[in-house]
Amino acid sequence: DGGITQSPKYLFRKEGQNVTLSCEQNLNHDAMYWYRQDPGQGLRLIYYSQIVNDFQKGDIAEGYSVSREKKESFPLTVTSAQKNPTAFYLCASSPLAGKGSYEQYFGPGTRLTVT
Amino acid sequence: DQQVKQNSPSLSVQEGRISILNCDYTNSMFDYFLWYKKYPAEGPTFLISISSIKDKNEDGRFTVFLNKSAKHLSLHIVPSQPGDSAVYFCAARGTRGGSNYKLTFGKGTLLTVNP
Repeated sequence: DGGITQSPKYLFRKEGQNVTLSCEQNLNHDAMYWYRQDPGQGLRLIYYSQIVNDFQKGDIAEGYSVSREKKESFPLTVTSAQKNPTAFYLCASSPLAGKGSYEQYFGPGTRLTVT
Repeated sequence: DQQVKQNSPSLSVQEGRISILNCDYTNSMFDYFLWYKKYPAEGPTFLISISSIKDKNEDGRFTVFLNKSAKHLSLHIVPSQPGDSAVYFCAARGTRGGSNYKLTFGKGTLLTVNP
């Protein structure tokens, strides 16, 4: 069945290491997004992509990088430059046009802990 | 500058009663509003939405009201059930240029429905 998968569910890293979070979707959606959620905070947009090989910075892109080589995949790299990387990371996708184009569908999330 | 505000961090109601969750926004360019429900350590799931050209949308126990002049929307859940206990996020979609597909989220309201 169709959906968005994020792996792993929990991820632990040492400070100073880069780490890549996986996001895959088989919904045939054009647009994909990465959000970060911190306690007591809403979802804050890190990066988004509306088409393969193109992506734009969101509100808090510093210390993160992305790639969009395939329509189905939108991996997020948390670099050592991100000052507070410990958070819950959510990937989402949406169609660009047609029914449901306003709704974003979310994956289950990855809890990243950096010590 | 918080464009979507959910001023109540938490709300507690009795099972069977009405739950009313509120959301205010400041950007008059928002043209579509959505409510998402989120359980701990899971991704948000879409609940209900409303276009800015409407003032009410109903889906089963869930109704969203939009007061455009006050830049205010509310989600009503009737009757409330213990399974409704979750964090509810209000989100808004803008129409400006390349940000057509971005959603701006509020910080969320934790709803607790007591049996």
